Amino acid sequence: GENVEQHPSTLSVQEGDSAVIKCTYSDSASNYFPWYKQELGKGPQLIIDIRSNVGEKKDQRIAVTLNKTAKHFSLHITETQPEDSAVYFCAASKSTASKLTFGTGTRLQVTL
Amino acid sequence: DTEVTQTPKHLVMGMTNKKSLKCEQHMGHRAMYWYKQKAKKPPELMFVYSYEKLSINESVPSRFSPECPNSSLLNLHLHALQPEDSALYLCASKPGASYNEQFFGPGTRLTVL
Repeated sequence: GENVEQHPSTLSVQEGDSAVIKCTYSDSASNYFPWYKQELGKGPQLIIDIRSNVGEKKDQRIAVTLNKTAKHFSLHITETQPEDSAVYFCAASKSTASKLTFGTGTRLQVTL
Repeated sequence: DTEVTQTPKHLVMGMTNKKSLKCEQHMGHRAMYWYKQKAKKPPELMFVYSYEKLSINESVPSRFSPECPNSSLLNLHLHALQPEDSALYLCASKPGASYNEQFFGPGTRLTVL
């Protein structure tokens, strides 16, 4: 089955800096890659996603890039703010009927 | 209404108790999910309902019993749980079988004594 590796497990950046989280997937048939943000005591929130027919997608300060050949995708957060502090999970699935396979999560801490 | 709601927020139960978790969405979504999340781990899929029918059971022990009374409501009935079942139980939904995007509720924090 699909396996998704996520790095780093923890990331500390200063406010205003950029943060990058990377994920690698194993199943070349995977075609949907969402990113979730989970704040303490809350459920995961879908923040951005990308499909395999697109190489990059942006939404204000966040962007996701996908390299199908290398089977990896990354989340980029620019101009980080304290409210970006949370755990971020990447995921992959290969069809709308398939389950999401999650990465192990990255705890992002944005310091003042 | 653009959210998934879950009740209760917190639940403490003994190993002999019977309790239920409830999930509601009024977005017209036709697929609903139960996940279990242990501390510092990603969510683990338990059950999937599609058009009110159970479509996936990820080999979950029978002490967890899901129910989908209608397209807006999903229940998880709990009986004879073990302390290791203590976790955050998350509900999620998506518009239908042909969609990818899943939207999560805030979860129920369950503690089994």
